[in-house]
Order: sequence, then C-alpha cells, then structure tokens
Amino acid sequence: NAGVTQTPKFQVLKTGQSMTLQCAQDMNHEYMSWYRQDPGMGLRLIHYSVGAGITDQGEVPNGYNVSRSTTEDFPLRLLSAAPSQTSVYFCASSYVRGAGNTIYFGEGSWLTVV
Amino acid sequence: TQLLEQSPQFLSIQEGENLTVYCNSSSVFSSLQWYRQEPGEGPVLLVTVVTGGEVKKLKRLTFQFGDARKDSSLHITAAQPGDTGLYLCAGVPSNDYKLSFGAGTTVTVRA
Repeated sequence: NAGVTQTPKFQVLKTGQSMTLQCAQDMNHEYMSWYRQDPGMGLRLIHYSVGAGITDQGEVPNGYNVSRSTTEDFPLRLLSAAPSQTSVYFCASSYVRGAGNTIYFGEGSWLTVV
Repeated sequence: TQLLEQSPQFLSIQEGENLTVYCNSSSVFSSLQWYRQEPGEGPVLLVTVVTGGEVKKLKRLTFQFGDARKDSSLHITAAQPGDTGLYLCAGVPSNDYKLSFGAGTTVTVRA
C-alpha cells in the first residue's frame, strides 16, 4: 500500500536552476494538490488538480508549474529556482475535493535553494 | 493573514497534564479537520467535524466544532510524550472548496 509517493526526499538547487518534484498515488484519487510548508505559516496550496488534464492555481502558484497527464501522477516543476522557494513540499490526494474528505499526504520533499 | 488562526503557537506541558488547542476564524466552514504531523513526515488526519456543535472523541483526544462553524478546539486529557507533535487545523470555507490550513501548534509533552 504505497499511498502518496514523493521524490526526491531532499534536494539542493542553485538559484536559477529548474527541477521537477515527482508525486504519484496508487489510490485512484481524482483530486491531487501540492502544498509548501514554511515555519509559522502552516501549509499553503500551490496548485491542485481535480482530474487528468485539469489543473488550477492555489494560494501561492508563482514560480511553479504543474501538469496532470494521468490520474496517478502530478509533478511540480520549479521553473527558475529562487531562495524564497526553499521550503518543504507536500503532495496530497483525495477521492474528491471539498469538505470532509480524507486527504492523504506524502512524506515531503525538502528543497534548499542556494 | 491566515484564514484559520491557531493558538497557542507553542505548548509545553508535563506528562499527565491536560491541554487545549484552539482554531478560530471569522469565516464559516463546511468542515474542519485536525491533523498531527511528526518531524520528517507528512500530516496525518485525526478527525473531521462537519456539524456545528459536534463533539468527537478519539481516545484521550476530544474535538469540538463551534455552533457557528467558525471555530474548533482540540483537547488532550492526560497528555503523554507520544502526543508530542505539530497539530494543524484545516478547513473548507462554505463559499469555497479549497482546504486552508492554520499555522499549527507545536505540542511538547515532557516525561
């Protein structure tokens, strides 16, 4: 029972580099999302998807790009990394979006931009 | 400003004591959830409350949803070191569908 799998766990980038955080879920969930977690700020929604081929912006989308070509995968791309993107990133999924649904989180990806 | 305000930000207590964490907002929520997160891991759902005034119990943890569905509380009775962690509240506003998180309360229970 893999659940939500994120890779890599740790990554150090230089300013201006690009990279992709991978996220995969094996629960056939329609709704997937990416959050970043910073000290004292909780989790903030970056982008989300309600199904294959459909994505939308969350609270803090600038500097990030997503795509959803399959139900299982929801990669997050950093286009040109900046120190302000140093954070812990969590991918999450649930059957549907909205109230009362159980959201399953991955274990997180620690990203440092120098 | 965050949609959900949690207090306190930090809480350190002795084993056996009780504690309460609060989650407040000026907005009405369709539901509120509480998560617990341990270092190096993702948040794990503890409970979902959906009805105003609802009270749910999970062993020594008691969760309450305010009558007006704008606030919630988490009460831990006879806390144990295993309760140590970051507690996050999250909710879906009635006029939205996206889940918003509070900043979290770091709870430390000393043996």
